[in-house]
Amino acid sequence: DVKVTQSSRYLVKRTGEKVFLECVQDMDHENMFWYRQDPGLGLRLIYFSYDVKMKEKGDIPEGYSVSREKKERFSLILESASTNQTSMYLCASTIYSNYGYTFGSGTRLTVV
Amino acid sequence: KQEVTQIPAALSVPEGENLVLNCSFTDSAIYNLQWFRQDPGKGLTSLLLIQSSQREQTSGRLNASLDKSSGRSTLYIAASQPGDSATYLCAVNRGNTPLVFGKGTRLSVIA
Repeated sequence: DVKVTQSSRYLVKRTGEKVFLECVQDMDHENMFWYRQDPGLGLRLIYFSYDVKMKEKGDIPEGYSVSREKKERFSLILESASTNQTSMYLCASTIYSNYGYTFGSGTRLTVV
Repeated sequence: KQEVTQIPAALSVPEGENLVLNCSFTDSAIYNLQWFRQDPGKGLTSLLLIQSSQREQTSGRLNASLDKSSGRSTLYIAASQPGDSATYLCAVNRGNTPLVFGKGTRLSVIA
């Protein structure tokens, strides 16, 4: 089975810190995605990537950036963390668009 | 812009009951529809994937159907168990676009 690994289950960071959320998949998937999930708002797409060094903005990219230097790794960067970025962050991957997505276990980020 | 709606938002049923969860989407030109399960505080687990040429998929006690013309999918759970308690999410995409999610149905199965 494909495994998508998010490096941290829980993180607590201070306002203004630069935060890195890491996601690694082990099945040579082309496509990788970052979503955030908030009560009442559901899952919202932040950024996605269809290839190494490629990135596309999702619905809510403000305050975030991403890096994909290797095919298996897709990092989400909070340039200057703010309290409104407290959320559950979910990474997913798929080999092609017409295949199913596999999600990681999520990172619960709290910004204080 | 694609919108996905799941009704009801929450559902409570006694153990052993058969139940149906509903998902509707506004743009019927979808490519895939995928059902997920999410336990509290956890990531999403894929349950069933219906690709564009398919109309239903089955896995164990779960059956998902897709009617693109009406913009609807249903997830049928047979003989529900307390372990089925979770939030169920449906998501769709069109062509080479990312999945768009509904807000989910929170299911409680009471023993």
